[in-house]
Amino acid sequence: EDQVTQSPEALRLQEGESSSLNCSYTVSGLRGLFWYRQDPGKGPEFLFTLYSAGEEKEKERLKATLTKKESFLHITAPKPEDSATYLCAGLNTGNQFYFGTGTSLTVIP
Amino acid sequence: DAGVTQSPTHLIKTRGQHVTLRCSPISGHKSVSWYQQVLGQGPQFIFQYYEKEERGRGNFPDRFSARQFPNYSSELNVNALLLGDSALYLCASSFLSDRRSGANVLTFGAGSRLTVL
Repeated sequence: EDQVTQSPEALRLQEGESSSLNCSYTVSGLRGLFWYRQDPGKGPEFLFTLYSAGEEKEKERLKATLTKKESFLHITAPKPEDSATYLCAGLNTGNQFYFGTGTSLTVIP
Repeated sequence: DAGVTQSPTHLIKTRGQHVTLRCSPISGHKSVSWYQQVLGQGPQFIFQYYEKEERGRGNFPDRFSARQFPNYSSELNVNALLLGDSALYLCASSFLSDRRSGANVLTFGAGSRLTVL
């Protein structure tokens, strides 16, 4: 069964304290691994798509990486405005997305 | 350019009632998907429609149904509401939905918050 698991569930960081979020996946014939950011009361907002192991993508303080079993979202020197829930999702060969439960990130000034 | 719009934004129903949620995709997007997000969980796939045809269905009971109209907007219907149907219902649109093409990016609306009492 296709599944995506994220850890930790919640993470509190001091402003400037770098860390990583983990996304483990078992998705049949993975066609893409997606990262989204979700603010309270809003829909998820697209961040990155990774297609193959070894691929990396960066956007401001965020960098996403992909291996054959996991993806990591690295946050460098976070700011309070980076506080949000970060979701990862795998797309399978049936064109269906499987989302993890998310990591709730709080960055303290 | 308008993003994905959903209505209503909030609604309260009682058990056994029926609800219809509406979604307008981004102009030019032909695929619409529906997701249910229970508080503290990730979105769960309900349906995908492309060019007015159902392309995928998640593990939801037959009380859930949907359709897509010629203008690519979509409705999600839920009958015989249960307390457990309380959730944020998200609509997402994408440009392509073709198994032979590359993975497509979902653009989500802000959701419809359904509370069942």
